[in-house]
Amino acid sequence: NAGVTQTPKFQVLKTGQSMTLQCAQDMNHEYMSWYRQDPGMGLRLIHYSVGAGITDQGEVPNGYNVSRSTTEDFPLRLLSAAPSQTSVYFCASRVSGTQSLNYGYTFGSGTRLTVV
Amino acid sequence: KQEVTQIPAALSVPEGENLVLNCSFTDSAIYNLQWFRQDPGKGLTSLLLIQSSQREQTSGRLNASLDKSSGRSTLYIAASQPGDSATYLCAVRAGANNLFFGTGTRLTVIP
Repeated sequence: NAGVTQTPKFQVLKTGQSMTLQCAQDMNHEYMSWYRQDPGMGLRLIHYSVGAGITDQGEVPNGYNVSRSTTEDFPLRLLSAAPSQTSVYFCASRVSGTQSLNYGYTFGSGTRLTVV
Repeated sequence: KQEVTQIPAALSVPEGENLVLNCSFTDSAIYNLQWFRQDPGKGLTSLLLIQSSQREQTSGRLNASLDKSSGRSTLYIAASQPGDSATYLCAVRAGANNLFFGTGTRLTVIP
């Protein structure tokens, strides 16, 4: 059982470049989300999705784009990378609906992104 | 907005000691609270989930308590081991679609 898989693990980008961070889960979770982790701050929600075709913004969505075409995948796109987007990015998933209160989140291993 | 605080930010203890990590949150209207462990350069590993109606949960040497009315949770680690060295994160699910995280407590267990 792979859980939540993120690729790549590390990436260095130049300012202005674009890239996609991949996230896939094999638990049939409807809910998926992206967080960023910065030193001295708690993880912050970027975007989330409650099912295929449905996405919404979190606390820090600017500069990021998402789509959800399948239940399994939830990619995060940086359209024009900026140094302020240097961070560690985590993808997380969980079950949806009332059952979700009994279950927690499952996180991927993260992508460490540096924008120079 | 829900704010989550973890104190202390760092803690060093000798092996074998029992210890308590603290988590406080500002809004008691929560669905549940989850404790995670994060090793350096790694992802988050879920340790314990406490639902808002529960007072505590136990898993092995770990025991987490929740006092929703006072906005507090503690993670008790019994008989600490060097392998317990990691950062421990507390996260509160206070809305339908968000977890609010503390900044963590970095634990070092000295052999």
